[in-house]
Amino acid sequence: DTEVTQTPKHLVMGMTNKKSLKCEQHMGHRAMYWYKQKAKKPPELMFVYSYEKLSINESVPSRFSPECPNSSLLNLHLHALQPEDSALYLCASSQFDGPSTDTQYFGPGTRLTVL
Amino acid sequence: GDSVTQMEGPVTLSEEAFLTINCTYTATGYPSLFWYVQYPGEGLQLLLKATKADDKGSNKGFEATYRKETTSFHLEKGSVQVSDSAVYFCALSDGLGGSQGNLIFGKGTKLSVKP
Repeated sequence: DTEVTQTPKHLVMGMTNKKSLKCEQHMGHRAMYWYKQKAKKPPELMFVYSYEKLSINESVPSRFSPECPNSSLLNLHLHALQPEDSALYLCASSQFDGPSTDTQYFGPGTRLTVL
Repeated sequence: GDSVTQMEGPVTLSEEAFLTINCTYTATGYPSLFWYVQYPGEGLQLLLKATKADDKGSNKGFEATYRKETTSFHLEKGSVQVSDSAVYFCALSDGLGGSQGNLIFGKGTKLSVKP
């Protein structure tokens, strides 16, 4: 089973709201990722967690706050977002954050709209 | 730095036509190469991968061969179906740099198959 699940599927929020995106995998993977994808563009890496520790932050604004409570869960906390943050947010996982041969498996994404 | 270049779309084909989507790469190390597919409104799904030169990845009738001499990983399918309509992303993972498992994506190629 190579399933990564994400909730919610859709989210609409105002610029003053606080919301969270959730990602879960039960493949025993030790690396988890958040990507942002704008329409007609490839995914852009935001964060990488390796063994539940943040290893990469691709200069993402502080209004996005990742959290990895355990090896199966990854959250993305959202606060004071801007309309330009509207996008598809994808979670992915891989066995490790290391070998180039490792495969990243993606979830279905959360479609976020910021009003 | 590493990069992936794939043919610009959209590509429109009739059902049962032959498909080629070109992908070339630049990498300093020994990358693994991937094709991901994204159906409308969904996340990315791994289509196939190859981890070393001359490897052929295949899945669901799609094939791609890792050609180190031409730095290419072209995607082919002998007979496309309407259900193959999607966006296809070529990607590499070079195992180098700050996050060794980072994926570098091409811009994506939209395929539309008409009945």
